[in-house]
Amino acid sequence: QQPVQSPQAVILREGEDAVINCSSSKALYSVHWYRQKHGEAPVFLMILLKGGEQKGHEKISASFNEKKQQSSLYLTASQLSYSGTYFCGTATTGNQFYFGTGTSLTVIP
Amino acid sequence: KAGVTQTPRYLIKTRGQQVTLSCSPISGHRSVSWYQQTPGQGLQFLFEYFSETQRNKGNFPGRFSGRQFSNSRSEMNVSTLELGDSALYLCASSVGGGGGSYNEQFFGPGTRLTVL
Repeated sequence: QQPVQSPQAVILREGEDAVINCSSSKALYSVHWYRQKHGEAPVFLMILLKGGEQKGHEKISASFNEKKQQSSLYLTASQLSYSGTYFCGTATTGNQFYFGTGTSLTVIP
Repeated sequence: KAGVTQTPRYLIKTRGQQVTLSCSPISGHRSVSWYQQTPGQGLQFLFEYFSETQRNKGNFPGRFSGRQFSNSRSEMNVSTLELGDSALYLCASSVGGGGGSYNEQFFGPGTRLTVL
């Protein structure tokens, strides 16, 4: 039930791009993305709803494939501040909510 | 607006004891969710309350319970503590309405519980 994220960890140089994937075995109503820096609470990035609506930050983009129950988060022109652990969260049609396994992203100069 | 607050920030208990954690949501938010975060299991959903009613529940034993008051403040209780309950407990608030899991969640700083 917990969605699976890939990759588990990634190291980037400033300016490089990254894609983080999230895959669920359950039918989804929405996918959420959060970033958590070490020692801090998770911070909201984006929500993608069934039907195509999205709510989130302008500099973050993501996709949601409802049929495949998958979502991808696209980080472009990465900055040092992007470092942290990224979690997807999935709301199923049964109104259960699960966070993914997490992806550790490190951006180096 | 003030953010989500959680008290206490740190707790040390021994096996068999019980503990109560408190969460005050952002003013105007009616949904409060609780999560357990551990290095091995990641972020696990415990339950969600909306307008004093438990609306959703994760896969945790009955030792984990919660409640929400009329002012939306929420408490979480863990009885008969086990070593494996050591974790960071996070609460998150959202405006609610269509279901907390459908809205942006704002997280508190968490309560770090250590069970000896």
